[in-house]
Amino acid sequence: KAGVTQTPRYLIKTRGQQVTLSCSPISGHRSVSWYQQTPGQGLQFLFEYFSETQRNKGNFPGRFSGRQFSNSRSEMNVSTLELGDSALYLCASSLAQGTGEQYFGPGTRLTVT
Amino acid sequence: GESVGLHLPTLSVQEGDNSIINCAYSNSASDYFIWYKQESGKGPQFIIDIRSNMDKRQGQRVTVLLNKTVKHLSLQIAATQPGDSAVYFCAEIRGSGNTGKLIFGQGTTLQVKP
Repeated sequence: KAGVTQTPRYLIKTRGQQVTLSCSPISGHRSVSWYQQTPGQGLQFLFEYFSETQRNKGNFPGRFSGRQFSNSRSEMNVSTLELGDSALYLCASSLAQGTGEQYFGPGTRLTVT
Repeated sequence: GESVGLHLPTLSVQEGDNSIINCAYSNSASDYFIWYKQESGKGPQFIIDIRSNMDKRQGQRVTVLLNKTVKHLSLQIAATQPGDSAVYFCAEIRGSGNTGKLIFGQGTTLQVKP
């Protein structure tokens, strides 16, 4: 069974721009969560989607948003990029929502200049 | 605020020895804990989980111990191998029912010396 895939793997953007990251979960997994990983803050939960609905949200500004499609694929969007948004963005999928057993993709490395 | 965290940022062990990675948490209501391993250039990988109705759970070469009295859990890796070199995170599901979110600690880097 194929793992979680994320595209693109690397991205360079300029301050003020917006970006959209994509995540394809493991087949059959209906829950998709997003995390931001930085050296200073570590792994931080962004949000979780299940059945196309946002079920949970972390403490991030409204510039961070996401959505999930009927095939469980998910996208996250960051608008008005700031230098501090430079990070590894990880997507994880799971069979059920709110479970600790999540399967992570390799991440998208976003650099904001 | 309430947190889940690790005791040591780095742990160095000899190949073949047992490794013990520790984690403390502050919320006595926390009831579901998970260990993840992250190798360089990869996303975290689920290792093992434990709920508060258990104090020990074993997997393949790994054991997780939960001490609710002192709010402490540990991950023990038997016969540590070079492939075990990675960053290890303890995490908890914070929230009730199926609405919880996964909250990670800061991570311990395990270095295995040949």
